[in-house]
Parts: sequence; C-alpha cells; structure tokens
Amino acid sequence: GENVEQHPSTLSVQEGDSAVIKCTYSDSASNYFPWYKQELGKGPQLIIDIRSNVGEKKDQRIAVTLNKTAKHFSLHITETQPEDSAVYFCAASKGGGATNKLIFGTGTLLAVQP
Amino acid sequence: EPEVTQTPSHQVTQMGQEVILRCVPISNHLYFYWYRQILGQKVEFLVSFYNNEISEKSEIFDDQFSVERPDGSNFTLKIRSTKLEDSAMYFCASIPTATGAFFGQGTRLTVV
Repeated sequence: GENVEQHPSTLSVQEGDSAVIKCTYSDSASNYFPWYKQELGKGPQLIIDIRSNVGEKKDQRIAVTLNKTAKHFSLHITETQPEDSAVYFCAASKGGGATNKLIFGTGTLLAVQP
Repeated sequence: EPEVTQTPSHQVTQMGQEVILRCVPISNHLYFYWYRQILGQKVEFLVSFYNNEISEKSEIFDDQFSVERPDGSNFTLKIRSTKLEDSAMYFCASIPTATGAFFGQGTRLTVV
C-alpha cells in the first residue's frame, strides 16, 4: 500500500544552523508533496509544497527538493530560529494534487537550541 | 486569515457512547477531510467528502463512523459506539481547488 517514510525522527540543531528532513514514498503515482509544521496543541500547518513537475521550490528560509526517480523529497530550513522548533510532517498524494488524501510521514521533532 | 474551526477542543466519553465532532471549514472550500492522530503516531486519513457525499474512506472508517454536512457550513464526524482505541486527536481539513489542506486545531477524544 501507499507509504511515506520520514527521517530523522528527532533533530536537534543550534540556532543559525541548517536542518534537513528527508522522506521517501512508495507510490510512483504520487505527484503532490506538502510539508506541515505542527506546534504543540495545534493542527498541522502547511509551510511549503511541491508538485512532481518541479524539482525544487524555495520560500525564504525554507526549500523543498524532489527526486522523482529515487522517490524521495527533502525539506531544508536554513538559518534556523528557536521558533522553528516543532514537529514537521511530510506527506504525499496522487491523482490531481491537493484534492486527494494525504499519506503522512511519521514526523520529525525539530529542536532549535538558542 | 480564514481558518478551520473545530469543537470541542477536548471530549471525554465513556466506551460505547456516541460522539459528534464538529468542524467549520473555510467558507469557499470544496473538499473536506477528517484525519486522526493517535498519540505519538502519524496523521492518518479517515474520509474525504465532496459535493455532499463521501469520495473516499480508509479502512479505519468502518460502519461506526459517519460524516455529514447538515447545513452547508458545519462538517461533522460521528462515532456511534466509541471504543478505547478511538482515543486520538481528530483533525478536520478543508481544501479549495488548487492548494494544500488547511487543518483545524483538532479535537482530542479520550474514551474511558
């Protein structure tokens, strides 16, 4: 069945360093890959997404890369700040993009040390 | 900024009781979802809803679950006879036609 693997499960970085979270997906028909940030007690918040016709997308300090051949995608956060501390989830869906169900990864707890 | 609103934030219920979780999606969105997250685990898809009917449901979404959009604004998830293993955070999400899902803050359901 459809599956998304995410690594690492926890990541601790110093403020100002970069953080990288990696995901792999099993279904080659997947074509939409969002990343969500979940703060304590809140719902997942979309921070960036990428579609399969693009290899990389950047939004200020956040970037996502996609390798369709290898079926993996990564989130890159540069110049990390304490407020970046949260759980990050990758997800994948297929068949038309944002309107289809999301298959989530297991999450990465990012801790940015001041 | 418009947001998805869920009520209640926390629901405690006895095993075997019925619960209704409520959601108010963003007003111009067309697709509605319920997801759940058991403590410490990944977010799992339950059901999607479009044009007043279920468009897809997962294996989790058995006969004990149902969804409704009774009045064109609220979107509800009903669990008829709760089990201990239904304890989880339940998230409602809504989607316009072309961008990613907007999630509510969740309802923590505790079945005792």
